[in-house]
Amino acid sequence: AQSVSQHNHHVILSEAASLELGCNYSYGGTVNLFWYVQYPGQHLQLLLKYFSGDPLVKGIKGFEAEFIKSKFSFNLRKPSVQWSDTAEYFCAVNGRTGRRALTFGSGTRLQVQP
Amino acid sequence: NAGVTQTPKFQVLKTGQSMTLQCAQDMNHNSMYWYRQDPGMGLRLIYYSASEGTTDKGEVPNGYNVSRLNKREFSLRLESAAPSQTSVYFCASDLTGGLTGELFFGEGSRLTVL
Repeated sequence: AQSVSQHNHHVILSEAASLELGCNYSYGGTVNLFWYVQYPGQHLQLLLKYFSGDPLVKGIKGFEAEFIKSKFSFNLRKPSVQWSDTAEYFCAVNGRTGRRALTFGSGTRLQVQP
Repeated sequence: NAGVTQTPKFQVLKTGQSMTLQCAQDMNHNSMYWYRQDPGMGLRLIYYSASEGTTDKGEVPNGYNVSRLNKREFSLRLESAAPSQTSVYFCASDLTGGLTGELFFGEGSRLTVL
């Protein structure tokens, strides 16, 4: 069964600090990888995704993520966070065969202090 | 466009009561999903419907039933609610059954079982 681990449950940063949120997955096949974000009071929405090709993918609002196959990781980064990045971030995975429903990690709550 | 609409948004039940969460999407999506979100556990898949007329169990189906009434609607029923089912429930849909990984979520339904 596939699983996703997010090691940081709650991260507090000051504005302009750099961000890196960890995500590791377990799956016995080729995967697609995603980061979703849930801003306070809003719907979950897709931040970025990786299917194949360049392992460094860029998403909305200056976020990027790097797929490292050997480490089964897909960490999310942003060079300089803003107060508006305060949200909960979820890593997710699905397989390219079989059941394609997404499996989500436990989430990381990011609090950016002005 | 309304996107994905869930009702009710809030509900309090007593142990043993039954209820149905309704979900409708107006994007002509083929696949629909029910997730529950619990603190520290992220989103866990309860049931999903890859296409109209089909439903499949997810990670945590026990205590729930679903109906894909038509292409637009996917309901989740709790036959005999238990305190362990206190959670926030999210309905989601996507066009391609997970191929793109871009799910569109509803606002969530907060359920408390006393």
